[in-house]
Amino acid sequence: DAGVIQSPRHEVTEMGQEVTLRCKPISGHDYLFWYRQTMMRGLELLIYFNNNVPIDDSGMPEDRFSAKMPNASFSTLKIQPSEPRDSAVYFCASSYGNEQFFGPGTRLTVL
Amino acid sequence: AQSVTQPDIHITVSEGASLELRCNYSYGATPYLFWYVQSPGQGLQLLLKYFSGDTLVQGIKGFEAEFKRSQSSFNLRKPSVHWSDAAEYFCAVGGGRGSYIPTFGRGTSLIVHP
Repeated sequence: DAGVIQSPRHEVTEMGQEVTLRCKPISGHDYLFWYRQTMMRGLELLIYFNNNVPIDDSGMPEDRFSAKMPNASFSTLKIQPSEPRDSAVYFCASSYGNEQFFGPGTRLTVL
Repeated sequence: AQSVTQPDIHITVSEGASLELRCNYSYGATPYLFWYVQSPGQGLQLLLKYFSGDTLVQGIKGFEAEFKRSQSSFNLRKPSVHWSDAAEYFCAVGGGRGSYIPTFGRGTSLIVHP
């Protein structure tokens, strides 16, 4: 398996623009997680899905953030409109059981 | 609520020296414990995990960790550090399946001097 795949790896955008981050989990995994990592706040869990259903989105910072998982092999995290404080590395992880497998992350820079 | 404390933000060691990274957790039941490593520009990779049984757990890359219930600790150790071990290390605690959502510590940055 190729592992968790994220795209793009880097995204630079201007404030106010819509940003969409994509994730393909490992086949057969039933949990999918979105994290945000910054120097100030460390690794934050934004939202997670179980069998494509959002279970807990209490970590989503604002209504500007939304996440979907239309099927077992694809998830998106959207920020609309983006702001400079959204600049961070966003990780997707998937699991079946207790071990999470992380993707390489998307480094987002909002100017 | 579960929580993890990694008291050391940075640790500096010389190549070849031994290493111990500290992790203290808070969890109401028997915890599932993890150590992850993050190399620069990479995602997190699992080093080792403890679920039950032997309290000394062996992981990849020569790392081990010991679960001490009485101290609520799960410290990571390596007898001889290599320059390639320089990375960020994260401890995490979670419950069993059905309540497994791990909580991560803030991480410890390991710097290795030649």
